[in-house]
Amino acid sequence: EAQVTQNPRYLITVTGKKLTVTCSQNMNHEYMSWYRQDPGLGLRQIYYSMNVEVTDKGDVPEGYKVSRKEKRNFPLILESPSPNQTSLYFCASSLSGTGPFYGYTFGSGTRLTVV
Amino acid sequence: KNQVEQSPQSLIILEGKNCTLQCNYTVSPFSNLRWYKQDTGRGPVSLTIMTFSENTKSNRRYTATLDADTKQSSLHITASQLSDSASYICVVSGVEDSNYQLIWGAGTKLIIKP
Repeated sequence: EAQVTQNPRYLITVTGKKLTVTCSQNMNHEYMSWYRQDPGLGLRQIYYSMNVEVTDKGDVPEGYKVSRKEKRNFPLILESPSPNQTSLYFCASSLSGTGPFYGYTFGSGTRLTVV
Repeated sequence: KNQVEQSPQSLIILEGKNCTLQCNYTVSPFSNLRWYKQDTGRGPVSLTIMTFSENTKSNRRYTATLDADTKQSSLHITASQLSDSASYICVVSGVEDSNYQLIWGAGTKLIIKP
């Protein structure tokens, strides 16, 4: 089944403790992206990757890191999480990021709480 | 500034009734507009995509309209079912510096009551 898999689904952590949220897709998609979703706001893009070893900042990249060493994986790293990073995170992939008509496939989300 | 605004913020209707959700945008230049359905705690799922030249598009009980002149879109749901309870998100794709960007609306939370 074609899908984007995120782990974990739920995570509670303490301020300053490094964490990684994994994202993997099995559709051979070139484009992958991370979003965060907060109440009352639209999805906001954190980072995206057009292809292997190519990553770029989105609208809200501060406090996050990503890597794209292989096509299928796009982990999101929080080096020193803070409470304002408490949010619902989504990973998404698309066949290509350069065309306007490619639909996104989203993961099931990771609900992160930083205390 | 590129923006997408949706209304109402939330809506409660009885099962079997129809409803219409609105999306106004200021994204320019415009490429296409998508409607997504997002169940609580899940990732968004695409319902439909509309390009500049399309006025109406239907997907089962969902009908999307687009008026590119007034920069408005609507999503009409016919004969609502309990499973329609979700957030509906309007996303507009524009072009800036040769890069496509997606502008997300905040969504309309729809609750269907039996």
